[in-house]
Amino acid sequence: EPEVTQTPSHQVTQMGQEVILRCVPISNHLYFYWYRQILGQKVEFLVSFYNNEISEKSEIFDDQFSVERPDGSNFTLKIRSTKLEDSAMYFCASSVQGAGNQPQHFGDGTRLSIL
Amino acid sequence: ILNVEQSPQSLHVQEGDSTNFTCSFPSSNFYALHWYRWETAKSPEALFVMTLNGDEKKKGRISATLNTKEGYSYLYIKGSQPEDSATYLCAFIGGSGNTGKLIFGQGTTLQVKP
Repeated sequence: EPEVTQTPSHQVTQMGQEVILRCVPISNHLYFYWYRQILGQKVEFLVSFYNNEISEKSEIFDDQFSVERPDGSNFTLKIRSTKLEDSAMYFCASSVQGAGNQPQHFGDGTRLSIL
Repeated sequence: ILNVEQSPQSLHVQEGDSTNFTCSFPSSNFYALHWYRWETAKSPEALFVMTLNGDEKKKGRISATLNTKEGYSYLYIKGSQPEDSATYLCAFIGGSGNTGKLIFGQGTTLQVKP
């Protein structure tokens, strides 16, 4: 069964450094998402992306965050200047359509640790 | 601020017990309610997507109901098995639903003892 893959599984970065989290969504899916879960908190929405554009972003997704689909298969989340509070598990997801009546398929996540 | 709450936070049952848990969400501006099953060290897996008031969905021993007017959904597991041990997440989608933004509850962690 096709699945969403994320790399790396764990990233350790010094505060202030840039980090890129990578995702390969399911091949026929058109809508892509990033979520994160800070330890002990709820999973929270960051951004949704369709047709090479952000369709919605949360207030967390400020200027230090960006997303890109650089080729036909990868979907990346870049954090420009990491802060301690960016430490979290980051999940990529994709869906066939963006309508809320479609299930989202999640990757296993990247654990980001900021030192 | 839209809030989605799940209860209980955790549940310990014996193998064979039936169990249920609750997801509460805003009753206005509803579009869809998702349920996901999340095993430790794995990715969340979609169980159900529910859109209509009164909807009931079933997948094996797991079923869910939806009441959009009062803003709650129940997830039922009949005859729990150790492999049902996981965190069960519900997620609300409001508005037009066309961006797919999921607003998650904190999850209910189920532990089934053999």
